[in-house]
Amino acid sequence: QVQLVESGGGVVQPGRSLRLSCAASGFTFSTYGMHWVRQAPGKGLEWVAVISYDGSNKYYADSVKGRFTISRDNSKNTLYLQMSSLRAEDTAVYYCAKDKIAAAQTPHYFDYWGQGTLVTVSS
Amino acid sequence: DIQMTQSPSTLSASVGDRVTITCRASQSISNWLAWYQQKPGKAPKLLIYDASSLESGVPSRFSGSGSGTEFTLTISSLQPDDFAAYYCQQYSNYAPTFGQGTKVEIK
Repeated sequence: QVQLVESGGGVVQPGRSLRLSCAASGFTFSTYGMHWVRQAPGKGLEWVAVISYDGSNKYYADSVKGRFTISRDNSKNTLYLQMSSLRAEDTAVYYCAKDKIAAAQTPHYFDYWGQGTLVTVSS
Repeated sequence: DIQMTQSPSTLSASVGDRVTITCRASQSISNWLAWYQQKPGKAPKLLIYDASSLESGVPSRFSGSGSGTEFTLTISSLQPDDFAAYYCQQYSNYAPTFGQGTKVEIK
């Protein structure tokens, strides 16, 4: 069965960096685009970034553009999110999610989600 | 960015009620719309994609309709397991966006 397991969350000071990982299993990872979606405490869902199945295309929400970098290692079935210049408003549960459409270069919708990892930006 | 606006923000209903949630897009998104259900402390679950296609394993009491800028999610007969938050999401461009959510509460 499909499993997505995020790790790397924690408490970090404003302005610092953090890298999240998402280990995938149960499907052909290299065939699907992957996303990061976040949810601030008590708030709604916010899409953060997507990377195409082959890593050739990456898109970001305006709120993180220039500060966050999405990447993937298809040999390790792992998705990453490098977050820098963190702000208090980046505090959220970060979910990795699998795009449902195979071999797509543009984002679609998400059929599997991880359990999330909490990032708290606070001094 | 395409803005997605859901209404209502909160809905109180009883078991067996027919429930409708509306999602409006700030510009036409054709039928590039999905709906998710989220329960407290859990990840969202895909219910509907392409505005009206039911995801495998999702009960048939859930249905979606609409195109262009106005969409609806309908639960034909609300069940105890359906009390949750619901989100729409557009994927018509390179920056998917979600609605702010609708919480379905027990009346």
